[in-house]
Amino acid sequence: KAGVTQTPRYLIKTRGQQVTLSCSPISGHRSVSWYQQTPGQGLQFLFEYFSETQRNKGNFPGRFSGRQFSNSRSEMNVSTLELGDSALYLCASSLGTGSETQYFGPGTRLLVL
Amino acid sequence: AQSVTQLGSHVSVSEGALVLLRCNYSSSVPPYLFWYVQYPNKGLQLLLKYTSAATLVKGINGFEAEFKKSETSFHLTKPSAHMSDAAEYFCAVSAHSGGSNYKLTFGKGTLLTVNP
Repeated sequence: KAGVTQTPRYLIKTRGQQVTLSCSPISGHRSVSWYQQTPGQGLQFLFEYFSETQRNKGNFPGRFSGRQFSNSRSEMNVSTLELGDSALYLCASSLGTGSETQYFGPGTRLLVL
Repeated sequence: AQSVTQLGSHVSVSEGALVLLRCNYSSSVPPYLFWYVQYPNKGLQLLLKYTSAATLVKGINGFEAEFKKSETSFHLTKPSAHMSDAAEYFCAVSAHSGGSNYKLTFGKGTLLTVNP
């Protein structure tokens, strides 16, 4: 079974721009979660989507948003980029029906200049 | 609310020596606990998980962890370190957060170095 895929793998943007990251979950998984990883703050939960609905949200500003499509693929958008948004963005998928394991993709590394 | 503390941001061992990575958690409800490993420029890979079935959990690559409720700990061990174990290790906790959904709260990570 194919794993979680994320595109693109690397991105360079400038301050003020916006960016969209994509995540394709494991086939059959209906939950997609997004995490931000930085050296200073570590791994932080952004939000989780299940059946096209946001079920859970972390403590990030409204510039961070996401959505999920009917095929469970998810996108994450960051508007008005700031230097501090430079990070590795990880997507994880799971069945979404309980405390089952989340499987992570390789991540998208975003650099904001 | 839940939290995870990993004691020691950097652990260095010799090849063949015991690996011990410490994790303490805080959770207001029975937790589910996980250890993930991250190799350079890679995503997270699950090593093992505790979901209340057995307190001693065996994972991949010879790792195991023991859940101790009285100590709120879930330390990761491996009897004999291998060079390929060099990576960053993350302990994570999840608990019911309302609406039958779960989110992972991670520790800050422990970087394991294995010396020849």
